[in-house]
Amino acid sequence: GAGVSQTPSNKVTEKGKYVELRCDPISGHTALYWYRQSLGQGPEFLIYFQGTGAADDSGLPNDRFFAVRPEGSVSTLKIQRTERGDSAVYLCASSLTKSWGRAPNTGELFFGEGSRLTVL
Amino acid sequence: GQQVMQIPQYQHVQEGEDFTTYCNSSTTLSNIQWYKQRPGGHPVFLIQLVKSGEVKKQKRLTFQFGEAKKNSSLHITATQTTDVGTYFCAGQEGYGQNFVFGPGTRLSVLP
Repeated sequence: GAGVSQTPSNKVTEKGKYVELRCDPISGHTALYWYRQSLGQGPEFLIYFQGTGAADDSGLPNDRFFAVRPEGSVSTLKIQRTERGDSAVYLCASSLTKSWGRAPNTGELFFGEGSRLTVL
Repeated sequence: GQQVMQIPQYQHVQEGEDFTTYCNSSTTLSNIQWYKQRPGGHPVFLIQLVKSGEVKKQKRLTFQFGEAKKNSSLHITATQTTDVGTYFCAGQEGYGQNFVFGPGTRLSVLP
């Protein structure tokens, strides 16, 4: 597709259930980010992939959250034993990484429409 | 850890008035990006600033990166109703790849 695709667009679940959110990045983008956005707040960093590996997972709030990107393209964010506080819009973004001299820097982030998670 | 703040949190202007939002990082940045999010939408990239003291213009929008690379500003001249939305700055620290977003400034434009 032309842009970043996220599914499902909406997910309503009960407290304690397991949830998977999928992100299909722009073809050829090596960098993939997961952010979480609550109402009226800025995107909160969760995890960043460069290729298949998690380059930075320091934003994952606890061990209930896990993300994979096994083939360096599609990524899945997995949330176990969901809690009401997990309710938010989960945003995925992809990007090309450019080399500026010796220091690689990320270009613009292309965001998907997000997956709205509601935990009852 | 790195923190990014933005002021003001909200701004209401009359159409035609100017608007400025300010972004401050607790640490020196390698670069900063600005995004716009319309109500109900997702963040959309506006610009990236890399050099100390850099100023870039996009039509009515002027972006500036501070000399110390710890602050940035976005100025909109003669706002229009199409400018409505929340403006976020996002800073990348050092050579790390994580972008930390500010809380955003929500702009309302009254016709």
